Amino acid sequence: NAGVTQTPKFQVLKTGQSMTLQCAQDMNHEYMSWYRQDPGMGLRLIHYSVGAGITDQGEVPNGYNVSRSTTEDFPLRLLSAAPSQTSVYFCASSSDSLYAYYEQYFGPGTRLTVT
Amino acid sequence: AQSVTQLGSHVSVSEGALVLLRCNYSSSVPPYLFWYVQYPNQGLQLLLKYTSAATLVKGINGFEAEFKKSETSFHLTKPSAHMSDAAEYFCAVSERTAGANSKLTFGKGITLSVRP
Repeated sequence: NAGVTQTPKFQVLKTGQSMTLQCAQDMNHEYMSWYRQDPGMGLRLIHYSVGAGITDQGEVPNGYNVSRSTTEDFPLRLLSAAPSQTSVYFCASSSDSLYAYYEQYFGPGTRLTVT
Repeated sequence: AQSVTQLGSHVSVSEGALVLLRCNYSSSVPPYLFWYVQYPNQGLQLLLKYTSAATLVKGINGFEAEFKKSETSFHLTKPSAHMSDAAEYFCAVSERTAGANSKLTFGKGITLSVRP
């Protein structure tokens, strides 16, 4: 199993550009989520999904859009990039969201810089 | 609402010394607690988790943590630090919120440095 994969690893955008961060998992996990990691702030939840066709907002959803058309894929779209979105983005998956004790598996991250 | 406090942002120990990373939590219901580790330029991986069974939890790489309800703490320890333990460590809490799915809330993280 490849686990959770993310592409690209690095990306530089200009303010106002849009892009999609890709995330895929091959563990047949129902629950997938996106976090951003900023220095001194830990990881903050952007959006999450409990299954294909079902998504919801996390703590910091503004400026981001998600959809979940398949169990495997959970792309994150930046609609109009801003410098405040410079961050490291992690995708994670878990076998179940209803039981809070399940481990989340993280991808290697995408480092995004917005100039 | 749930929250996690990790005091300090950086801990430095000598190789072979005790590692102690502190975590305090706030939760309105009995929590599930986790420690994740992030090695440089990698994603997070689970070290250990507390799910209301034994209060002393053993994890990978010789780490363990003790759940103390009276102190609302879940401190991470390792008796003898190794150079390979240098990483960032995150404490996290999860609870099932009424009518919704569980969410994981992370602390700000602590960077552990190990001196030769």
